[in-house]
Amino acid sequence: AQSVTQLGSHVSVSEGALVLLRCNYSSSVPPYLFWYVQYPNQGLQLLLKYTTGATLVKGINGFEAEFKKSETSFHLTKPSAHMSDAAEYFCAVSEDNDMRFGAGTRLTVKP
Amino acid sequence: ETGVTQTPRHLVMGMTNKKSLKCEQHLGHNAMYWYKQSAKKPLELMFVYNFKEQTENNSVPSRFSPECPNSSHLFLHLHTLQPEDSALYLCASSQGGQGLYNEQFFGPGTRLTVL
Repeated sequence: AQSVTQLGSHVSVSEGALVLLRCNYSSSVPPYLFWYVQYPNQGLQLLLKYTTGATLVKGINGFEAEFKKSETSFHLTKPSAHMSDAAEYFCAVSEDNDMRFGAGTRLTVKP
Repeated sequence: ETGVTQTPRHLVMGMTNKKSLKCEQHLGHNAMYWYKQSAKKPLELMFVYNFKEQTENNSVPSRFSPECPNSSHLFLHLHTLQPEDSALYLCASSQGGQGLYNEQFFGPGTRLTVL
């Protein structure tokens, strides 16, 4: 069965700084991987997804993630943080008939 | 309406009340989900319906009763809740099946407060 680990429940960056949110997964087969974002009192919104092909995936709002099979990782990055990026981010893996979510990482952006 | 909608967005109820949460998806999906999201806790999957059949019930107390009359609608009936049931309840849908088709689309949630 698959599982997801997000390192760091809370990440704080300054506006304009690099954003790096870490996600590691375990899966017995090539996985489908997702990043979702959740703003306060809202549902989860898909940021990006990896299915097959190119391992660097670009998503909305300037975010991207790279699938590294050897490291079983799917870290989320953004070169320059914006105040509007403050939210909770969830990594998820899909395998068989199931989707598993990580515990989430809360991103704070300081002015 | 597009995507996944949930009503009401906010609900306050006493422990003896009976209420229902409603979810509707306009995406032509075949699977629907209820999640509970409490402060500082991971997302908890409660129920899964595939083609109107309940396929997963993660040891949810019987005071929560799901209903899926068709593939577009999902309800969560609530009765005699406890204060610890206060949370954001999220509904999601997916196409159903394996892998990519489990990409889930979420509604905005219902913020439930139990007094």
